[in-house]
Amino acid sequence: GDSVTQMEGPVTLSEEAFLTINCTYTATGYPSLFWYVQYPGEGLQLLLKATKADDKGSNKGFEATYRKETTSFHLEKGSVQVSDSAVYFCATTDSWGKFQFGAGTQVVVTP
Amino acid sequence: EAGVAQSPRYKIIEKRQSVAFWCNPISGHATLYWYQQILGQGPKLLIQFQNNGVVDDSQLPKDRFSAERLKGVDSTLKIQPAKLEDSAVYLCASSLEGAKNIQYFGAGTRLSVL
Repeated sequence: GDSVTQMEGPVTLSEEAFLTINCTYTATGYPSLFWYVQYPGEGLQLLLKATKADDKGSNKGFEATYRKETTSFHLEKGSVQVSDSAVYFCATTDSWGKFQFGAGTQVVVTP
Repeated sequence: EAGVAQSPRYKIIEKRQSVAFWCNPISGHATLYWYQQILGQGPKLLIQFQNNGVVDDSQLPKDRFSAERLKGVDSTLKIQPAKLEDSAVYLCASSLEGAKNIQYFGAGTRLSVL
């Protein structure tokens, strides 16, 4: 079945540092790829998405590129802020809208 | 626009007791999902409704979990009887019928089974 593997956390870094969270997936067909963010005490919020190979999703300074050849969708941000502290989930979905989430990566940004 | 509403936010029960969670999706969203998120893991789909019909309940432990969406709007998820391993956050999400890959999540109900 489909699966998503993302790097374990917590990832701790200083404000203005560069953030990368690795995500790889296995899927049949051509899934859509997503990054969701979960702030403390809140539900998941869609951060960005990509629906086909080589698409780049971007939002709030975060970017991720759909790499079919490496089955990856790594999340990057060039300069993080304390407000970016959250748990980030990589996910795939098939054409029926069935999601497969990774285990999540906690990011802690210190001033 | 109001988001997905869930209640209660927190619930503590003893094992073998019953518990119910409520979800009100975004107005006009035909598809509703219940997920279970165990600490340290990503959400796992329990059941998916399309209007008042079940689309996918393959991951729902049917011996103890049940869910309904009688009028195709709000939904309840019940656990009876609860086990220790049911401790988790239960998330409800909804989406438009034509955009199932854009799901909007509620804040969840955190269940602790003692």
